Amino acid sequence: DTAVSQTPKYLVTQMGNDKSIKCEQNLGHDTMYWYKQDSKKFLKIMFSYNNKELIINETVPNRFSPKSPDKAHLNLHINSLELGDSAVYFCASSQGLGLAATDTQYFGPGTRLTVL
Amino acid sequence: AQKVTQAQTEISVVEKEDVTLDCVYETRDTTYYLFWYKQPPSGELVFLIRRNSFDEQNEISGRYSWNFQKSTSSFNFTITASQVVDSAVYFCAIRTGANSKLTFGKGITLSVRP
Repeated sequence: DTAVSQTPKYLVTQMGNDKSIKCEQNLGHDTMYWYKQDSKKFLKIMFSYNNKELIINETVPNRFSPKSPDKAHLNLHINSLELGDSAVYFCASSQGLGLAATDTQYFGPGTRLTVL
Repeated sequence: AQKVTQAQTEISVVEKEDVTLDCVYETRDTTYYLFWYKQPPSGELVFLIRRNSFDEQNEISGRYSWNFQKSTSSFNFTITASQVVDSAVYFCAIRTGANSKLTFGKGITLSVRP
């Protein structure tokens, strides 16, 4: 059973389009995250949700809008895609929040987004 | 704010050599967690270890071992008798504070040649 899954795995699209990436976890975790990995492999947090509530928003352009319909899902919608949005986007999940959260973050397989 | 420095960017070794990947962290918090993740060529991020700031015991798991030293703010990772399958990018990360976000180092690309 896949613990954290993302769809699609690859996404190729034109500049200006709108696209969504979906993430689901079956670990029973209550906190989910989106990270972006750029072409130099640098990983940076974008968003975090705890029990469907936005906890972290790391100065991401407002073209990016996360949505958490329930604890097990965290989707990422991107409007008006730009060339610089090309990257690998990773979803992750963990249990708990803050220093009370002793659980590890487990990552999905990543979605490689290419904007042409 | 926290920071992780992985000064080595690329390391190349021959199979069966031992290799140590360095990680130095910065934080003002007294409670924090340190992590290592592996990213093989297939691209996924694989969790290797978590260590909390109150536990300085070294850990060994098969050919992998970790040395945590608060005095030098380091959390180094050693692979003994490296194998080709160890070829990957290795990330050190830290988590502190109320929001649980992971702050990653820039990663070390390890190439193990047969």
